[in-house]
Amino acid sequence: NAGVTQTPKFQVLKTGQSMTLQCAQDMNHEYMSWYRQDPGMGLRLIHYSVGAGITDQGEVPNGYNVSRSTTEDFPLRLLSAAPSQTSVYFCASSYGQIYGYTFGSGTRLTVV
Amino acid sequence: GDSVTQMEGPVTLSEEAFLTINCTYTATGYPSLFWYVQYPGEGLQLLLKATKADDKGSNKGFEATYRKETTSFHLEKGSVQVSDSAVYFCALIQSQGAQKLVFGQGTRLTINP
Repeated sequence: NAGVTQTPKFQVLKTGQSMTLQCAQDMNHEYMSWYRQDPGMGLRLIHYSVGAGITDQGEVPNGYNVSRSTTEDFPLRLLSAAPSQTSVYFCASSYGQIYGYTFGSGTRLTVV
Repeated sequence: GDSVTQMEGPVTLSEEAFLTINCTYTATGYPSLFWYVQYPGEGLQLLLKATKADDKGSNKGFEATYRKETTSFHLEKGSVQVSDSAVYFCALIQSQGAQKLVFGQGTRLTINP
């Protein structure tokens, strides 16, 4: 089992560029989430999904879009990168409440 | 809404000291409770969990007990090692709804030899 796979691991963008952070899981988990972690801070929820075709906003959704066309994939799109989006992004997936979430290894994004 | 509050860090201890990191939560119903650990430069790993009142989760010498009467899930270890240096996050998942993982702010732990 690969678990939760995030690509790329590192990315540098210029202000105004767009890009997609990829997230894939092979555990048939229904629930998936994206978090960002700023230096010295905790994790903030960007978007989440409760199954294929169903997504919703977390606490910091502005500037990001998501889609969930399959159970396995949950890409995060940055529409027009800003320096404030410099962060480490984590994708996570779960079967549900009693199992907890499995996290990917993260994407470190720098916007210059 | 649901929330998790952890003791403020950073926490610095000597090797073989006793560790407690306090965690309290606010939630309706019966959430599941978790401790995650993040080692420097890495992602988050599930350390332990408890899914109902009075359950004790344990792993790698760490343990935490789900106390519904005090809405707490304190993390403890009897004798810490340098390799335990990391950031520890307390979290919950509500029993109904979107199954979102709600985190505390994290506690940075440093163990000195």
